[in-house]
Amino acid sequence: GESVGLHLPTLSVQEGDNSIINCAYSNSASDYFIWYKQESGKGPQFIIDIRSNMDKRQGQRVTVLLNKTVKHLSLQIAATQPGDSAVYFCAESSGFQKLVFGTGTRLLVSP
Amino acid sequence: DTAVSQTPKYLVTQMGNDKSIKCEQNLGHDTMYWYKQDSKKFLKIMFSYNNKELIINETVPNRFSPKSPDKAHLNLHINSLELGDSAVYFCASSPLSNYGYTFGSGTRLTVV
Repeated sequence: GESVGLHLPTLSVQEGDNSIINCAYSNSASDYFIWYKQESGKGPQFIIDIRSNMDKRQGQRVTVLLNKTVKHLSLQIAATQPGDSAVYFCAESSGFQKLVFGTGTRLLVSP
Repeated sequence: DTAVSQTPKYLVTQMGNDKSIKCEQNLGHDTMYWYKQDSKKFLKIMFSYNNKELIINETVPNRFSPKSPDKAHLNLHINSLELGDSAVYFCASSPLSNYGYTFGSGTRLTVV
């Protein structure tokens, strides 16, 4: 079956540090990946996406890296801020407008 | 001007009851979804509808019945509620052309 998982359930960083959140996926046929941020009491919010024909994509303070050889996805957040504290999910497309979500990583940013 | 709105935000009910959660989106999206998030934050798709037509039904018990009166609404009715149904239920929508999901803020269902 298909699955998406994360290595670290909780990541604690200091404000100003760079954060890296990792994700492993198992479905080699997946061709689209998204990172979501979920703050307490809210729904997941889109951060950044990447298609399988790319290795890297950058947004504002965020970068997503995709390594298809080892089926690994990462989210890098530059100069992490307290407002970045949240649970982060990776998700992979599975066709038919269906996203499979990973188990989530909690990011804690200390001032 | 909330893009995807769900009601109610909190729902506490007894086992065996029947309850409904409503969802509306004003984004003009073609596809709507219901996701269930358990106590460990795991998000799992339950249903998706495209323009009122059921596209995905992820082996959810038939006590759960989605209804889409039009493409802007997707309601979830749950019969004979069980303790294990306690979770946060998220509605989402997306355009047909991509996976740009917009999620609602969730409905926390507690079955006692």
